[in-house]
Amino acid sequence: ETGVTQTPRHLVMGMTNKKSLKCEQHLGHNAMYWYKQSAKKPLELMFVYSLEERVENNSVPSRFSPECPNSSHLFLHLHTLQPEDSALYLCASSQSHPRGAENIQYFGAGTRLSVL
Amino acid sequence: AQKVTQAQTEISVVEKEDVTLDCVYETRDTTYYLFWYKQPPSGELVFLIRRNSFDEQNEISGRYSWNFQKSTSSFNFTITASQVVDSAVYFCALTNFGNEKLTFGTGTRLTIIP
Repeated sequence: ETGVTQTPRHLVMGMTNKKSLKCEQHLGHNAMYWYKQSAKKPLELMFVYSLEERVENNSVPSRFSPECPNSSHLFLHLHTLQPEDSALYLCASSQSHPRGAENIQYFGAGTRLSVL
Repeated sequence: AQKVTQAQTEISVVEKEDVTLDCVYETRDTTYYLFWYKQPPSGELVFLIRRNSFDEQNEISGRYSWNFQKSTSSFNFTITASQVVDSAVYFCALTNFGNEKLTFGTGTRLTIIP
C-alpha cells in the first residue's frame, strides 16, 4: 500500500460516455500527477498539480480534463474518448515544496481504461 | 533535453541467478536525481531508490544494489540471488533538481523462472 488510492481499477466506456477517474493520496503531499501508460511506450506525463495549481499540461487533448479540488484529491474527467486512449492511467503524488523537499513520486495502482 | 535509455526490453533468468538491469541517461543539468521503480503485475509503480548527482557511492539494500557512474552516465541495478517475486517491469527515471517532471525509460521486463 503506497498511500495513493485510485478508483475504479478497471473501466470500460463507449466513445460517447462521460466518466471520471479518482485519485486520493494519504501522504500529506502537495503535488499530484496524472500519467498515461500505453503498451510499448514510455510513461507519458499528462498533468501536474502543485499546491493545487496546474503547473503542467503536456499537450493533452481537451477530452481529458483534470480537476484538483484540494491537495489530497485529483480527478481526471473523460468525455468522447477514442479507442487509442485505452491505457493504464496512473496517479502519483509527491512533496515538491519547498525547493529541496523529498520530491519522490509515489504511485497508485492505476485505472485500466478500455474505450470501445 | 533529458533522456533515459533502458536498452534491455526483456530479460529472463533462472531463480537464484544474479541479474543486472542497465540504465543510461542524458542530461545537460549538473544537479539531478536518478530513480528506479518496480512495476509488478498489480500495476502500481513502487519506488526503490533515489540517487542525487553528487553522490556516486554504490548502494546496497538487501539483495538489491545500484552502481552509479557519472563518467559513463549510467545507473545500473543488480538483483542478487533473484526470486520469483522479483518478476516485474523495472523503470529508470531522471529529473533535475527542483523539477517535478520525471523522465522515464521504456522499462525492462524481468522474468524470474522458478
